[in-house]
Amino acid sequence: DAGVTQSPTHLIKTRGQHVTLRCSPISGHKSVSWYQQVLGQGPQFIFQYYEKEERGRGNFPDRFSARQFPNYSSELNVNALLLGDSALYLCASTSRAPTNEKLFFGSGTQLSVL
Amino acid sequence: GESVGLHLPTLSVQEGDNSIINCAYSNSASDYFIWYKQESGKGPQFIIDIRSNMDKRQGQRVTVLLNKTVKHLSLQIAATQPGDSAVYFCAENTYSGGGADGLTFGKGTHLIIQP
Repeated sequence: DAGVTQSPTHLIKTRGQHVTLRCSPISGHKSVSWYQQVLGQGPQFIFQYYEKEERGRGNFPDRFSARQFPNYSSELNVNALLLGDSALYLCASTSRAPTNEKLFFGSGTQLSVL
Repeated sequence: GESVGLHLPTLSVQEGDNSIINCAYSNSASDYFIWYKQESGKGPQFIIDIRSNMDKRQGQRVTVLLNKTVKHLSLQIAATQPGDSAVYFCAENTYSGGGADGLTFGKGTHLIIQP
């Protein structure tokens, strides 16, 4: 069975641009969460979506937005990119929604902002 | 500050020995904990979880211990193998009726296996 899949795997952008990251959850999982992982640190919660609705939001600016589609896949959008947005962006899914139990992560999208 | 933290940033063990990775948490309301393993260039891999109504849970070669009195969590890996080399994170969840707050992760412990 396929795990959580994310695309693209790597991305290079310049300051001020916007970016869209994509995620497909494990089959049967209806909840998708997004995390940001800066080098050398643990992941930090950005959003959780369940049944196409935002269920939680971490301490991130409004430049960050997301949505979930009817097939439960999700997109994370970041506008007006800053150098500090350079990080590994992780998507996770769970069948135990809307909780965070048994949260399984994808391999992430490595975003570099120049 | 962070509500979840780890005592040691790096742990070096001999192949075949047992490893113990520690984690301290500060939120007494946390009800669920997960250990993840993260290899270079990959996302965190689920290892084992434990609810706050338990004090021990065992998996394949791994055991998680929870001491709520001192708010301490540990991951024990038996007969450590080269493939166990990775960064290990503990994460906690504070139940709020849903996933609203996400998991809170510590900084991680880098486990190094020496031959």
